[in-house]
Amino acid sequence: SQTIHQWPATLVQPVGSPLSLECTVEGTSNPNLYWYRQAAGRGLQLLFYSIGIGQISSEVPQNLSASRPQDRQFILSSKKLLLSDSGFYLCAWTTGGLMNTEAFFGQGTRLTVV
Amino acid sequence: GENVEQHPSTLSVQEGDSAVIKCTYSDSASNYFPWYKQELGKRPQLIIDIRSNVGEKKDQRIAVTLNKTAKHFSLHITETQPEDSAVYFCAAFLDSNYQLIWGAGTKLIIKP
Repeated sequence: SQTIHQWPATLVQPVGSPLSLECTVEGTSNPNLYWYRQAAGRGLQLLFYSIGIGQISSEVPQNLSASRPQDRQFILSSKKLLLSDSGFYLCAWTTGGLMNTEAFFGQGTRLTVV
Repeated sequence: GENVEQHPSTLSVQEGDSAVIKCTYSDSASNYFPWYKQELGKRPQLIIDIRSNVGEKKDQRIAVTLNKTAKHFSLHITETQPEDSAVYFCAAFLDSNYQLIWGAGTKLIIKP
């Protein structure tokens, strides 16, 4: 069966520090991968999505970047965090080639920038 | 581009009563409409979905209806229970840009 791992679960980082969140998927090949951010009490904002290794599409201009070094690994990074980067970050995957199907989410990372 | 509006933002119902959450979308080419449930501090999980070639789908106490002409779809929960308390998100998928566009969410509160 397929599983998705996302870590860390919580993170407190000072303003200006770097960020690296990692997500891996098991049990499937060539998944579509997504990074979402959810502000407190708000909806899901799509940050990045990837349909293959090295293929990253950005939806929101910001100081975040994403990379997909391996088929089932998706990394969210920042060189310098801002206070406004605080939120709940969710990684998700859908079956490759079928974006209009169920999305499976990781457990999420609650990031607090102080 | 596609836009999804979700109402209400908060819904409070008595345990045992029914709850209805409505979403409207702007692009008639949208063809897939999932509903996700997110409990506090947890990940969203799919509870039901519907495709544009179907008008209604039911799974036990949960049902979704789709009106393509009016471009809206609704989530119906009958015989609500305390464990139904959560935030519910609707979404619409657009083939042309491979995007799943999300509603803002509805906080459902079940009163004992």
